[in-house]
Amino acid sequence: AQRVTQPEKLLSVFKGAPVELKCNYSYSGSPELFWYVQYSRQRLQLLLRHISRESIKGFTADLNKGETSFHLKKPFAQEEDSAMYYCALIPGGSYIPTFGRGTSLIVHP
Amino acid sequence: DTEVTQTPKHLVMGMTNKKSLKCEQHMGHRAMYWYKQKAKKPPELMFVYSYEKLSINESVPSRFSPECPNSSLLNLHLHALQPEDSALYLCASSQATGLGYGYTFGSGTRLTVV
Repeated sequence: AQRVTQPEKLLSVFKGAPVELKCNYSYSGSPELFWYVQYSRQRLQLLLRHISRESIKGFTADLNKGETSFHLKKPFAQEEDSAMYYCALIPGGSYIPTFGRGTSLIVHP
Repeated sequence: DTEVTQTPKHLVMGMTNKKSLKCEQHMGHRAMYWYKQKAKKPPELMFVYSYEKLSINESVPSRFSPECPNSSLLNLHLHALQPEDSALYLCASSQATGLGYGYTFGSGTRLTVV
């Protein structure tokens, strides 16, 4: 069975600092990977998906199959980035995601 | 329309009440889901409907009863709930093709059982 690990429950940085939210996965096939964000009292939103290789709100994430990682990065954090971030994996041939436990990002002024 | 709409936004119910949560989407998505989310925790999958048929039931107690009347609507009927069932209930939809489009989530119904 697949597994998604977000090792940090809480990540606290200052505005303007680089931020990296870690996501590691275990899955024997070719997964699809996503980052979801949940701002305070708002709905869970899709932030990034690995197949699109986009940059959304300054965030990027690269799938590293060798390290089985999909870390989320932003070079300069902003206060409005404070939120819960969830990494999710969908196994090949499925459409049901497995979520990591989430990382709470707090960006201090 | 690119949203999943859930009603009501808040619900307080007693342990003997019967209530229903509603979810609606008009994106042509053929998979719809109910999730339960406790504070600061990831969403936990409860039910999956694919092409209006229940395809996954994650061992959810029978006091939760899902219903999919058509491809745009999803209900969750609640009866004899317990205080520990208090949570944010999220509806989501997707294209059910595994092509990596991800989910669209509703804003949730915040349920309090008293």
